[in-house]
Amino acid sequence: SQTIHQWPATLVQPVGSPLSLECTVEGTSNPNLYWYRQAAGRGLQLLFYSVGIGQISSEVPQNLSASRPQDRQFILSSKKLLLSDSGFYLCAWTPAYGYTFGSGTRLTVV
Amino acid sequence: GESVGLHLPTLSVQEGDNSIINCAYSNSASDYFIWYKQESGKGPQFIIDIRSNMDKRQGQRVTVLLNKTVKHLSLQIAATQPGDSAVYFCAETYGNNDMRFGAGTRLTVKP
Repeated sequence: SQTIHQWPATLVQPVGSPLSLECTVEGTSNPNLYWYRQAAGRGLQLLFYSVGIGQISSEVPQNLSASRPQDRQFILSSKKLLLSDSGFYLCAWTPAYGYTFGSGTRLTVV
Repeated sequence: GESVGLHLPTLSVQEGDNSIINCAYSNSASDYFIWYKQESGKGPQFIIDIRSNMDKRQGQRVTVLLNKTVKHLSLQIAATQPGDSAVYFCAETYGNNDMRFGAGTRLTVKP
């Protein structure tokens, strides 16, 4: 079956520290993959999407970056976190219809 | 487009009443729409979808209505239950383009 895994579930990081969030998809090949951020009580903001290995498109300029080292792996990174990076980060992919989301990572930058 | 900078509108209903959540979409070329439900601390979950060649689609206790003339989408939940309390997002897309999400509506069900 097709599943999406995202970890960690929660993360508390100090300002200026690095970040690495990982997302993997099982049961499919060459999926379109997405990173979204959701600030508390607000809508979904598309950060990055990828249509294949090494192919990353950025929607919003910021201090975050994304990489796709393998077909079913999508990584969200930062070299130095800002307070404004706090939020709920969601990975998503596109099966036959719509998007399927991971369980999310709650990031708090302190 | 995405209304990510807005605070979520809220809807409060009594348990057992019907709920109607509305969404205005921006692209008249959009041909596929989805409603998602997001419970607190979880990722959005697919509820129901509709294509632009339809104006109504029904699921279990949910109905989606599409009015292409005014670019309006609604989600109706019959006999709302406490477990329906969540944030509901509409999403639109056309062709193979990326899906764009609305700001979301927070539904609270009072017992």
